[in-house]
Amino acid sequence: GQQLNQSPQSMFIQEGEDVSMNCTSSSIFNTWLWYKQDPGEGPVLLIALYKAGELTSNGRLTAQFGITRKDSFLNISASIPSDVGIYFCAGSSIQGAQKLVFGQGTRLTINP
Amino acid sequence: DTGVSQDPRHKITKRGQNVTFRCDPISEHNRLYWYRQTLGQGPEFLTYFQNEAQLEKSRLLSDRFSAERPKGSFSTLEIQRTEQGDSAMYLCASSRQGFMNTEAFFGQGTRLTVV
Repeated sequence: GQQLNQSPQSMFIQEGEDVSMNCTSSSIFNTWLWYKQDPGEGPVLLIALYKAGELTSNGRLTAQFGITRKDSFLNISASIPSDVGIYFCAGSSIQGAQKLVFGQGTRLTINP
Repeated sequence: DTGVSQDPRHKITKRGQNVTFRCDPISEHNRLYWYRQTLGQGPEFLTYFQNEAQLEKSRLLSDRFSAERPKGSFSTLEIQRTEQGDSAMYLCASSRQGFMNTEAFFGQGTRLTVV
């Protein structure tokens, strides 16, 4: 079945640093989404990508849909304490965000 | 707040008991999804509905699991004869139908603990 490899699994950074994480797939995806999840809560949508090569920003967050359709990355600039959490990539091989396949998550810890 | 709502937030049950969870999607969304998430993992797809029709079920959804969306609005997920391996966070999400702008929004989840 489809699998997403998300890396790194965890990151420990200083407040103010930039963060980069990525996701690769064994097969082509037509939709990529990035979510953030806090403990005990559901995932919250950050960015949605629908076209290969698309680069989209949401405040300090920037994500790109890889040209090969098999990868995506998320960057966070100038990290702040509230960025702490687990970030998940998710992809759908069907056009539109149906039946998402999720990565295993990147746990972000920020030292003040 | 008109986001996805799930009830209950937490459920502790004894092995062998039946449990039922409810999900109320965003009102204008006609697609509804159920996912399961275990500790340290990403959510895994279980099933989804378009209006009242259940269009796909994962092989993760054993015969003890059943989901319904009788009027195309709220949905229920029932687990019969619960096992300790059923302990997980059960997440509901909803989205619009279409090819673009069909982002799936998640509820806060129901955490099930089977003892």
